[in-house]
Amino acid sequence: DVKVTQSSRYLVKRTGEKVFLECVQDMDHENMFWYRQDPGLGLRLIYFSYDVKMKEKGDIPEGYSVSREKKERFSLILESASTNQTSMYLCASSFGTGYNSPLHFGNGTRLTVT
Amino acid sequence: AQSVSQHNHHVILSEAASLELGCNYSYGGTVNLFWYVQYPGQHLQLLLKYFSGDPLVKGIKGFEAEFIKSKFSFNLRKPSVQWSDTAEYFCAVKSMDTGRRALTFGSGTRLQVQP
Repeated sequence: DVKVTQSSRYLVKRTGEKVFLECVQDMDHENMFWYRQDPGLGLRLIYFSYDVKMKEKGDIPEGYSVSREKKERFSLILESASTNQTSMYLCASSFGTGYNSPLHFGNGTRLTVT
Repeated sequence: AQSVSQHNHHVILSEAASLELGCNYSYGGTVNLFWYVQYPGQHLQLLLKYFSGDPLVKGIKGFEAEFIKSKFSFNLRKPSVQWSDTAEYFCAVKSMDTGRRALTFGSGTRLQVQP
């Protein structure tokens, strides 16, 4: 069974801090994704990666960056956290070109920025 | 940019009632369609998916969805809901023509089933 593990379930950070959210998958998936989930807005794509050291912007990349140094790990970085980045962050992975491959999600990290 | 609309934000049903959740998408090309479910305290998981062929697809736990291309819709149905179906349901679309591998999700529908 695919396992996508997000390092923290809950995080509380202060405005202006640099924040790292970590995600690891154990199924050798090529594709990894970061979404944020907000009530009434559903899931919105922040960044995704098709391969090591490759990344592409999603629909709401402002204020975020990502790092993929190893295939199994995809990190989301908030360079200077702001209160409007308080949200649930979901990591997901999928196999191959992804056309016929569903996403496998982690349990999420609930980030609060005060 | 493609978008996905889920018009029902919060649905409350009694057990054994029938369920239909609406999903419409904006993209006119070839699409793959998905429904995901998030039970309280759990991660998102795939409920069912449509890639091609029979437009009526069946998923887990008695759910089914019908793809109507002319209406850009992919509505989720279940003939008789159970209390354990209480969850949030998300429709998602992947465009086959743009090469974008990521899914675009709708805003979600929270289903509450009363015993």
